[in-house]
Amino acid sequence: NAGVMQNPRHLVRRRGQEARLRCSPMKGHSHVYWYRQLPEEGLKFMVYLQKENIIDESGMPKERFSAEFPKEGPSILRIQQVVRGDSAAYFCASSPRTGVPSEQYFGPGTRLTVT
Amino acid sequence: DAKTTQPPSMDCAEGRAANLPCNHSTISGNEYVYWYRQIHSQGPQYIIHGLKNNETNEMASLIITEDRKSSTLILPHATLRDTAVYYCIVRVNTGTASKLTFGTGTRLQVTL
Repeated sequence: NAGVMQNPRHLVRRRGQEARLRCSPMKGHSHVYWYRQLPEEGLKFMVYLQKENIIDESGMPKERFSAEFPKEGPSILRIQQVVRGDSAAYFCASSPRTGVPSEQYFGPGTRLTVT
Repeated sequence: DAKTTQPPSMDCAEGRAANLPCNHSTISGNEYVYWYRQIHSQGPQYIIHGLKNNETNEMASLIITEDRKSSTLILPHATLRDTAVYYCIVRVNTGTASKLTFGTGTRLQVTL
């Protein structure tokens, strides 16, 4: 059973470009979460999605950031017009449908560097 | 979700038990205690969780005090590969999946 997959693992973008980060959840998991970790800081929640629905986006910056989890295919975190402050590790996690808060399984992360 | 307090760092000799404390004095009756760890910039790894009873799995044991205001994660025989930042997280049971709120955690250094 493959784990959570993220690609690319490393992404370099110039200021003003767009960054697209992909996350494939574990098989059978219908909940996806995105977290961001700035250098030397802890992980911060960004957004929680189920198939075709955004459930909680309370941690998403209001501008330039968007996320989707389509019916088919991976979840996408999109950052438009990137700035140096967007440089961070972005982690995706997934969990199965369940009746109690279940553990989340994390991917290896995408390290975004904005030059 | 309840706030947690952990020591910023701890050391442990290889082969010894590592006991990582966590205070969660404002925990509510329907909140679970979860432990995750992050090994050197990798994705966080789930370790264990519990509500009020002590729990054990192949990785660790979780001891929750009777009043549930604190807990201890025990790695029975720490190895160098257990060097990581350990996060204690309290999550409300809403009946649906929910986000994790990470604090600053405890940086465990296992030494020879």
